Amino acid sequence: DAGVIQSPRHEVTEMGQEVTLRCKPISGHNSLFWYRQTMMRGLELLIYFNNNVPIDDSGMPEDRFSAKMPNASFSTLKIQPSEPRDSAVYFCASSSGLAGAGDTQYFGPGTRLTVL
Amino acid sequence: AQSVTQPDIHITVSEGASLELRCNYSYGATPYLFWYVQSPGQGLQLLLKYFSGDTLVQGIKGFEAEFKRSQSSFNLRKPSVHWSDAAEYFCAVGVRSGNQFYFGTGTSLTVIP
Repeated sequence: DAGVIQSPRHEVTEMGQEVTLRCKPISGHNSLFWYRQTMMRGLELLIYFNNNVPIDDSGMPEDRFSAKMPNASFSTLKIQPSEPRDSAVYFCASSSGLAGAGDTQYFGPGTRLTVL
Repeated sequence: AQSVTQPDIHITVSEGASLELRCNYSYGATPYLFWYVQSPGQGLQLLLKYFSGDTLVQGIKGFEAEFKRSQSSFNLRKPSVHWSDAAEYFCAVGVRSGNQFYFGTGTSLTVIP
């Protein structure tokens, strides 16, 4: 298996622009997680899906952030409009069950976002 | 509220020396416990996890961790560190009765020759 695939790997944009991050989970996994990593706040869970349905989005920082999972093999995280404080590395991870079930999460390589 | 504490932000050890990274959790019951490693520029990779049973868990790359219920701890150990072990290490907990999952703030490991 190719593992979790994220695109783009790097994104540089200007403040106010829309940013879309993409994730393809491991085939057969039914849970998908979006994380944000910064030096100041560490690794934060933004949202996770189970069977394409958002289960917990309490970590989404504000309405500028939205996430979708239209099917089992694809998810997007969108920031509109973007702000410099959104600069971070965004990770997507997938697992075969609910987070509370203790399943191993498999992480993608991340997208490094820079908002100027 | 549930929490995961990694008290050491940064640790430096000599190659060949032993290593112990600390992790404490705050939760009313025994959660699922994990250690992940993040190499520079990479995503996180699972080292090991504890569900139940034997409190000493073996993982990949020669790592092990011991669950101590009385101390609410899940410390990671390695008897002899290699230069390639330099990375960021994250402890994490999964709540059994719900669906929450929490990462600690991480410990950065530097290995000197």
